[in-house]
Amino acid sequence: NAGVTQTPKFQVLKTGQSMTLQCAQDMNHEYMSWYRQDPGMGLRLIHYSVGAGITDQGEVPNGYNVSRSTTEDFPLRLLSAAPSQTSVYFCASSYTPSRGEQYFGPGTRLTVT
Amino acid sequence: GENVEQHPSTLSVQEGDSAVIKCTYSDSASNYFPWYKQELGKRPQLIIDIRSNVGEKKDQRIAVTLNKTAKHFSLHITETQPEDSAVYFCAAIPREYGNKLVFGAGTILRVKS
Repeated sequence: NAGVTQTPKFQVLKTGQSMTLQCAQDMNHEYMSWYRQDPGMGLRLIHYSVGAGITDQGEVPNGYNVSRSTTEDFPLRLLSAAPSQTSVYFCASSYTPSRGEQYFGPGTRLTVT
Repeated sequence: GENVEQHPSTLSVQEGDSAVIKCTYSDSASNYFPWYKQELGKRPQLIIDIRSNVGEKKDQRIAVTLNKTAKHFSLHITETQPEDSAVYFCAAIPREYGNKLVFGAGTILRVKS
């Protein structure tokens, strides 16, 4: 049981480049979410999904896209990277957000130059 | 995070003393309040949570109290130890945010030995 996995661990992008951060979980959780963590600002929700085929926006969705074609995978796409997207990105999963623990992945540290 | 305010932003205590972190929320319909601990360079992990039908919950040296009337909840750590040093996040699910778990901005706790 690997839990929540994320790839890559580190990434450096140039402004304007696009990329996809991968997230997968093997706990059969319906709820998955993406957060970004910046110093002094806590964990801010980017996008979330309550099940395969269903996604919705969080607090800071601009510049990011998501899709949920399977229960296990929830990739986050940066369309055109900007320096303001330099952050640590965490993927999380749970049965529901109001029932028990959200399991976080190890995080991806992204730098946009 | 929006609708969840957390104080203080930093807290230094002497080993063996108690630490208290407080969060306030805006939506009286919120009914689930978890606390997460994040050690340096690691992912957030749930340490304790409380539901709105309970006023207090304890787990060894950690306790959480909830005041629904005042719309605040607090994390209490007694007999602090150096390994308690970390960032602590509170969270809530404001009704207007649907299924979104909203985090506070975090508290850096330093336990001095």
